[in-house]
Amino acid sequence: DAKTTQPNSMESNEEEPVHLPCNHSTISGTDYIHWYRQLPSQGPEYVIHGLTSNVNNRMASLAIAEDRKSSTLILHRATLRDAAVYYCTHTLNYGGSQGNLIFGKGTKLSVKP
Amino acid sequence: DTGVSQDPRHKITKRGQNVTFRCDPISEHNRLYWYRQTLGQGPEFLTYFQNEAQLEKSRLLSDRFSAERPKGSFSTLEIQRTEQGDSAMYLCASTQGAHYGYTFGSGTRLTVV
Repeated sequence: DAKTTQPNSMESNEEEPVHLPCNHSTISGTDYIHWYRQLPSQGPEYVIHGLTSNVNNRMASLAIAEDRKSSTLILHRATLRDAAVYYCTHTLNYGGSQGNLIFGKGTKLSVKP
Repeated sequence: DTGVSQDPRHKITKRGQNVTFRCDPISEHNRLYWYRQTLGQGPEFLTYFQNEAQLEKSRLLSDRFSAERPKGSFSTLEIQRTEQGDSAMYLCASTQGAHYGYTFGSGTRLTVV
């Protein structure tokens, strides 16, 4: 079964960079890597996604390993509002499964002031 | 556009009753997904629509569950003869395609008593 593996929890200090790792060893060549974050009682919020190259946007950076079996979400300066559960996912493209996101349990990020 | 809307936000129902949830996706998004999330777990895929066609259903979706997306606009998810195990957050997401980010709604939290 397709799955992603992340640390259960991580801690960071405010204003410092955070590197959130993810393993997605079952990913195939056409699957996009996505990251979402979720606050309690809310739906997941899109953070960033990519296929092969590293990606940057206003929220974060995504570093993708050359073999695509792992990726790292980088928050350049953590703020208290970044405290959330972060999910590394990838789309599942085979047969009729077009674009379903496969979620693991996520990493709960705590940010200390 | 105000994003993906889900209604109701909360639903408490007695075991054995039927419930229906509604999702209004972003208007230009042709793909719509339903997910279920229980406490401490990541979202699990239930079903997927491309326009009005339901293209895939997870094995998690028992015969008591049915989903529709008439005219490729809003979608409904109905659960018949609810059971306590159906208690969860039901999330809807929409996207233009697997190459794009997904936008999730805030979810409908179902409690079966």
